[in-house]
Amino acid sequence: AQSVTQPDIHITVSEGASLELRCNYSYGATPYLFWYVQSPGQGLQLLLKYFSGDTLVQGIKGFEAEFKRSQSSFNLRKPSVHWSDAAEYFCAVGAGTGGGNKLTFGTGTQLKVEL
Amino acid sequence: DGGITQSPKYLFRKEGQNVTLSCEQNLNHDAMYWYRQDPGQGLRLIYYSQIVNDFQKGDIAEGYSVSREKKESFPLTVTSAQKNPTAFYLCASSIKTGGTGELFFGEGSRLTVL
Repeated sequence: AQSVTQPDIHITVSEGASLELRCNYSYGATPYLFWYVQSPGQGLQLLLKYFSGDTLVQGIKGFEAEFKRSQSSFNLRKPSVHWSDAAEYFCAVGAGTGGGNKLTFGTGTQLKVEL
Repeated sequence: DGGITQSPKYLFRKEGQNVTLSCEQNLNHDAMYWYRQDPGQGLRLIYYSQIVNDFQKGDIAEGYSVSREKKESFPLTVTSAQKNPTAFYLCASSIKTGGTGELFFGEGSRLTVL
């Protein structure tokens, strides 16, 4: 069965500092990997996704993530955090449309940004 | 604008009552999903449907029911059999084939049992 681990429940960074959110997955085949962001009381918005090709993927709002098969990781990064980035971030793994598009989500990382 | 509409945004229920959460999409997606979100537990799949008149149980289907009579609609009923129904419920949709499995989400419905 597929699973996702986000080891950091809460992270606090200063505005302008760099950010890395960790994500480790367990999946038997080539995974489809996603990062979503959620503001309080809202739905989830897709930041970026990986399914093949270049292992460094660029997303919206200046985020990027790197797929490392050897480490089963898909960590999210941003060089300089803005106060508006404060939100909850979810990593997810799936099998693509061939697997019915069912995504398994991690438990999330709550990001706080200090001004 | 294309998207997913969930209603109501907030819902209060007395114990023993069934409630139905609405989810409508105009993205022309074949597949639709219901997830439940609790603090510290991420999102857990309740039910999903890949085609009209067909749906499958997810990981936590007990106490819930769904229907898929129209492509654009996938209502979720939280029954009195659900032991702990207070949660945030998210509806999502996706294309069925030829894509990467990306889900598009609605804004959610928060159910509180009094």
